[in-house]
Amino acid sequence: EIVLTQSPGTLSLSPGERATLSCRASQSVSSSYLAWYQQKPGQAPRLLIYGASTRATGIPDRFSGSGSGTDFTLTISRLEPEDFAVYYCQQYGRSPRTFGQGTKVEIK
Amino acid sequence: EVQLAESGGGLVQPGGSLRLSCAASGFTFSSYTMNWVRQAPGKGLEWVSSISRSSDYTYYADSVKGRFTISRDNAKNSLYLQMNSLRAEDTAVYYCARGTPFDFWGQGTLVTVSS
Repeated sequence: EIVLTQSPGTLSLSPGERATLSCRASQSVSSSYLAWYQQKPGQAPRLLIYGASTRATGIPDRFSGSGSGTDFTLTISRLEPEDFAVYYCQQYGRSPRTFGQGTKVEIK
Repeated sequence: EVQLAESGGGLVQPGGSLRLSCAASGFTFSSYTMNWVRQAPGKGLEWVSSISRSSDYTYYADSVKGRFTISRDNAKNSLYLQMNSLRAEDTAVYYCARGTPFDFWGQGTLVTVSS
């Protein structure tokens, strides 16, 4: 099983600031089958990024993903009020399709 | 518009059974792998199970293997999760999600396992 470790657990930032979220895998993620999801309270998760760096349909370009192998990053260039949420990474190249434990981006 | 609507959740005693359903609309259901993901109260996301387009392949998390069964009916555009021998730790919101990666999600149905 590929274990995904996200850091930090919580990120306290102000609107307009840059957010950098990390996801580290215990083994190499094949073909960059790494996705990022956003979840707001009481809502279902939403796909943001897949293939490590491809934005899903309708996702603003302030969200970007990078990385390969075992180290991946989600960057939000300028935080908007609606971006404060929990973010999860997921690898979907191998079963079980594991998730990281999540990073909460909160308003400072 | 893509829509996924889960149903069938509720309160069940430990050792009991429940069958979840997910009704899909707005896309060609038979063209997509489908998945179940759960989220215990206040916790993160846990992948539960996946099924291939024609039901040829099914996959399960170790935590539910032997107790849960995923299935689908492409004629009815529906996904199912039969849950047996339920435990307190199965308490969660259960989401169905489309594809690989999971590009659309339903709103979830709450399963509570308690005496």
